[in-house]
Amino acid sequence: ILNVEQSPQSLHVQEGDSTNFTCSFPSSNFYALHWYRWETAKSPEALFVMTLNGDEKKKGRISATLNTKEGYSYLYIKGSQPEDSATYLCALIFNAGGTSYGKLTFGQGTILTVHP
Amino acid sequence: GAVVSQHPSRVICKSGTSVKIECRSLDFQATTMFWYRQFPKQSLMLMATSNEGSKATYEQGVEKDKFLINHASLTLSTLTVTSAHPEDSSFYICSAIHSSTDTQYFGPGTRLTVL
Repeated sequence: ILNVEQSPQSLHVQEGDSTNFTCSFPSSNFYALHWYRWETAKSPEALFVMTLNGDEKKKGRISATLNTKEGYSYLYIKGSQPEDSATYLCALIFNAGGTSYGKLTFGQGTILTVHP
Repeated sequence: GAVVSQHPSRVICKSGTSVKIECRSLDFQATTMFWYRQFPKQSLMLMATSNEGSKATYEQGVEKDKFLINHASLTLSTLTVTSAHPEDSSFYICSAIHSSTDTQYFGPGTRLTVL
């Protein structure tokens, strides 16, 4: 069983605070890591797809880094806003010898609440 | 951006009945779609891979005769929960891989409650 762990489980911050959370995964058989943002009653929205060790990606105030050798990724949100409140999901694609196309293994998510 | 819809968004049924959930890619073609479910306080778990024009492949522990998947066109996959029981109550969500970009897009999910 390939476990993807996210921490913390939930996070409350004040508007304007910067925050970050972690996704940990087994480094063997790594293929790709996806970050999703999931608001209640909506579809999960893809934020980043990361494949290379040392990758850093940025989208507005949100950025992510990837370390495939030690098996972790960080998601950072700078200057959090109430509209950033959502569940942030990390999902991995592991290389399973050609049968893993698109198959995502999810962490439990980090629930972020940004208070005005 | 690409949109995936699911219908219904919420369904309540009696034990023993069958329930069909539809997953549609609205503005793109998807050869491959996936079905996930999420029990309370757990991660989204992959149930099966749905391939257009061929049989679905199921993850270990998922009964193929109970969760029937049909992917008859490049924009529609259906999941039928047959003879549903209360333990099948869960949140079911689908995703579709855009055939041109390989990006995976998710539907909004279906909350199934079996009484």
